Amino acid sequence: DVVMTQSPLSLPVTLGQPASISCRSSQSLVYSDGNTYLNWFQQRPGQSPRRLIYKISNRDSGVPDRFSGSGSSTDFTLKISRVEAEDVGVYYCMQGTHWPYTFGQGTKLEIK
Amino acid sequence: EVQLVQSGAEVKKPGESLKISCKGSGYSFTSYWIGWVRQMPGKGLEWMGIIYPGDSDTRYSPSFQGQVTISADKSISTAYLQWSSLKASDTAMYYCARGINGMDVWGQGTTVTVSS
Repeated sequence: DVVMTQSPLSLPVTLGQPASISCRSSQSLVYSDGNTYLNWFQQRPGQSPRRLIYKISNRDSGVPDRFSGSGSSTDFTLKISRVEAEDVGVYYCMQGTHWPYTFGQGTKLEIK
Repeated sequence: EVQLVQSGAEVKKPGESLKISCKGSGYSFTSYWIGWVRQMPGKGLEWMGIIYPGDSDTRYSPSFQGQVTISADKSISTAYLQWSSLKASDTAMYYCARGINGMDVWGQGTTVTVSS
């Protein structure tokens, strides 16, 4: 299975400050169709996961533009330009290229 | 509105069987894969398997192959996850989600508690 490694696992951030989460895969996530199926999900406390970003850098409908994704092949990053209180939760990267799909361990974002 | 609505919480004893459901609405149910994801208490997300309701093509994660059965009834736009003999270690939240390669719509989750 492809191993997804996130860092940090805990991320205390001051309101209004930026935040960044790294996600590395154990092998390239470039699919045979040329796409790279790297997704980012947010799970707020007590809620279902919600997809924020798909194919590395595409924001889902309704996702604030303070969230952005970047990277390629095995190295990916989720950035929040200015953290707001509603961003508290756990963030997961997930690869949808190689079956079985796999998630990172999760990064818990909290307000400092 | 595109929605996946899951069945309610379940409390079962070890050895019992269980089938939980996930009903899609607001889109063509037969045109999108439906996946199942497990989240054990206080833990992360794990892929279990996916099904394409259009032709019932099903794939299982090796960790869950033989442990659960995924099915779908396209006539009622519903996907299912079932166990023939539950264990205490099956206690978890189970989510269904739409899509392959990346899931854009998630159900609200079904809590399954297995305890003697």
